[in-house]
Amino acid sequence: DVKVTQSSRYLVKRTGEKVFLECVQDMDHENMFWYRQDPGLGLRLIYFSYDVKMKEKGDIPEGYSVSREKKERFSLILESASTNQTSMYLCASLNRGNTIYFGEGSWLTVV
Amino acid sequence: GESVGLHLPTLSVQEGDNSIINCAYSNSASDYFIWYKQESGKGPQFIIDIRSNMDKRQGQRVTVLLNKTVKHLSLQIAATQPGDSAVYFCAENRANNAGNMLTFGGGTRLMVKP
Repeated sequence: DVKVTQSSRYLVKRTGEKVFLECVQDMDHENMFWYRQDPGLGLRLIYFSYDVKMKEKGDIPEGYSVSREKKERFSLILESASTNQTSMYLCASLNRGNTIYFGEGSWLTVV
Repeated sequence: GESVGLHLPTLSVQEGDNSIINCAYSNSASDYFIWYKQESGKGPQFIIDIRSNMDKRQGQRVTVLLNKTVKHLSLQIAATQPGDSAVYFCAENRANNAGNMLTFGGGTRLMVKP
């Protein structure tokens, strides 16, 4: 079974804290994505990566950075968390057949 | 900017009826479209996909129709069941020099009445 694992399901962080959201896939996929999901706004692409050490901005990259040091791991970083970053974050990876696999999501609350 | 969007935020249907969920896209360069289902508290699950060289694709109880002329995508669910209640997203894939970029619509909530 293919698997995309997000290490944290629920987090509560304070404003200004640095936050790491980790995502690991075991399918040897090149493409990985980070989305956030908010009511009424659907899934919005933050960053994606098409190879190790490669990253591209999505639609809403402001306030976020990413790291892809190994093919299986794609990390989303909030350098200084703010309350408007309270959201559900979804990691995904994409195979060459264009089938995308999602993680279960990470619910982040910034207080 | 270019986007994918959904016409109806909420669709309520009677159990056993057919459901149709619609999606509009604006990027004619998109070559691949996917429908996802998301249940509460879970990540999106793949339902069915269609490539831009096709007009129709059928799965088990689901059919996706693609009209490239008007840039419209629809998901038809036959004999809707309570377990179909979820939020449905359409997504489009654009391949560019940076790789594959998947963008999603806002989602439609399907509610199935018993």
